[in-house]
Amino acid sequence: DAGVIQSPRHEVTEMGQEVTLRCKPISGHDYLFWYRQTMMRGLELLIYFNNNVPIDDSGMPEDRFSAKMPNASFSTLKIQPSEPRDSAVYFCASSPGTRFFGEQFFGPGTRLTVL
Amino acid sequence: QKEVEQNSGPLSVPEGAIASLNCTYSDRGSQSFFWYRQYSGKSPELIMFIYSNGDKEDGRFTAQLNKASQYVSLLIRDSQPSDSATYLCAVNPNTGNQFYFGTGTSLTVIP
Repeated sequence: DAGVIQSPRHEVTEMGQEVTLRCKPISGHDYLFWYRQTMMRGLELLIYFNNNVPIDDSGMPEDRFSAKMPNASFSTLKIQPSEPRDSAVYFCASSPGTRFFGEQFFGPGTRLTVL
Repeated sequence: QKEVEQNSGPLSVPEGAIASLNCTYSDRGSQSFFWYRQYSGKSPELIMFIYSNGDKEDGRFTAQLNKASQYVSLLIRDSQPSDSATYLCAVNPNTGNQFYFGTGTSLTVIP
């Protein structure tokens, strides 16, 4: 299996622009997670999906952030409008099922820089 | 109080020694505990998980869980320079709907 795939790997944008991050989970995995990692705050869970349905979005920082999972093989995290404080590495992860909720496989991440 | 706390380090040990990494958690009803390793510039990688009190061994790695003390640790025996990384402790609280990572402990194994 190719593992979790994320694109783009790097994104540089200007404040106010829309940013869309993409993720393809491991085939057959029921859970998909979006995380953000910064030096100050560490790794934070933003939102996760179970069978394409958002279960907990309490980590989404504000309304500028939105996430969708239109099918089992694709998810997006969108920031609109972006701000410099959104600069971070964004990881997508997937896990096989409820019993293995914490056994997550991470993608390579997207390094976002907002100028 | 943070849900998961770790000493940020850095922790330095000589090659061949035992590295001991510690983590405490706040939710007494937490059921499952995980250790992830993250090399610089890379993504986290699961190395150990433990669900029951006591020890769990996997090769050079041992995870220890003490629910009464709300404490989980990771021991790395015969440490190698390739073990140099940040180790993240993660906890699935009793509610089951969240997943918290600690801020990680940076480990350096000196050849």
